[in-house]
Amino acid sequence: QVRLVESGGGLVRPGGSLRLSCAASSFTFSEYYMSWIRQAPGKGLEWISYIDTTGSIIFYADSVKGRFTISRDNAKNSLFLQMNSLRADDTAVYYCARTGPYYYGMDIWGQGTTVTVTS
Amino acid sequence: SYVLTQPPSVSVAPGETARTTCGGNNIGGKSVHWYQQRPGQAPVLVISYNSDRPSGIPERFSGSNAGNTATLTISSVEAGDEADYYCQVWDSSSNHVIFGGGTKLTVL
Repeated sequence: QVRLVESGGGLVRPGGSLRLSCAASSFTFSEYYMSWIRQAPGKGLEWISYIDTTGSIIFYADSVKGRFTISRDNAKNSLFLQMNSLRADDTAVYYCARTGPYYYGMDIWGQGTTVTVTS
Repeated sequence: SYVLTQPPSVSVAPGETARTTCGGNNIGGKSVHWYQQRPGQAPVLVISYNSDRPSGIPERFSGSNAGNTATLTISSVEAGDEADYYCQVWDSSSNHVIFGGGTKLTVL
């Protein structure tokens, strides 16, 4: 069935880097926009980045702009999030989600991968 | 940037109707999406474009949107509906996806 699977989470020191991946299956990945959303422990959902089908339109939340980079490889049905200069407040479960242009909802979500930033 | 306001909690008895709101400046002019997140699970889209139910979502879930308030309504509430519910819009002025703070639905 249509599925998204995140990976790459883990424990990292403040100032460190991590690269998350999101593998898509059972749908034509190249036809869909994608987003990354995170959820800090006990908190609500926070959207952090969005990419169009080709990677030519990209947006970031102010909280991660300049530190995080979203990208995709349509040939490998994969979405990525490169996270640099990590801080304690980046600790969260990170979800990838399938979406569409701008005002579309997010109809498929992965199960999430946990990132913990601690010294 | 655009702000969505949700009540922190709503409580309802089984079989009753639960309504939760999402407030925003002229939100009636936007497309609102609603997500259900059960404890320990990923969010699930339950209402899209204000009032559309994705495939597999029970008819008990409905939505409306007008003026400054969008509303998610769950009729004949069941124990399994106990979850956090988030509203979401696209803010074209900032090119950001915006989530509300979420509402915890408790089934008494």
